[in-house]
Amino acid sequence: QVQLVQSGAEVKKPGASVKVSCQASGYTFTSYAIYWVRQAPGQRLEWMGWINTDDGNTIYSPRFQGRVTITRDTSATTAYMDLSSLTSEDTAVYYCSRPGGGWRLDDWGQGTLVTVSS
Amino acid sequence: QSALTQPASVSGSPGQSITISCTGTSSDVGRYNFVSWYQQHPGKAPKLMIYEGSKRPSGVSNRFSGSKSGNTASLTISGLQAEDEADYYCCSYAGSSTLVFGGGTKLTVL
Repeated sequence: QVQLVQSGAEVKKPGASVKVSCQASGYTFTSYAIYWVRQAPGQRLEWMGWINTDDGNTIYSPRFQGRVTITRDTSATTAYMDLSSLTSEDTAVYYCSRPGGGWRLDDWGQGTLVTVSS
Repeated sequence: QSALTQPASVSGSPGQSITISCTGTSSDVGRYNFVSWYQQHPGKAPKLMIYEGSKRPSGVSNRFSGSKSGNTASLTISGLQAEDEADYYCCSYAGSSTLVFGGGTKLTVL
């Protein structure tokens, strides 16, 4: 079965960067993109961007453009989301997700809590 | 890219039906038939309930249905059950390979 397993919780200081990983299994990694979505405490879901795991092309939300970098390692069937210049407003749970057709998000990782605090 | 507009909360009694609206613009909900709905229980990852406006993934109860009219999509849950109490989010394709989520709606089963 499809599994997306994310890295563990992180605590970062303002101004730092964080890199969250998402290891995929149960399907052909390069046949599906990986999306990243975040959710601040008590807040809505926010789409951050996605990566074509086959060719590495990326699309980012304008809100995060310039601060987010999504990459992948096909040999490790793992996608990564790197967010820089962190502020307290970046404290959130970050999810990776595997899409199906029609711009839907079929499968989700368990989420990674990133806390930004001085 | 502004968030889609959802009511903050809705409620209903067991067995009743409720509808959650999701209002976008002619650039997202109104232009594309790619609205999806997600259920999220506290502390859990979202779960896909409806895609392409009205299609249900395998395993999702037929008590959940979706529709769209103009710039507004809707999720209807019939025969409310206690387990339906959760947050619900709509999401629309917004062109140029981007997505936009709604603000979320908290469903309370009375």
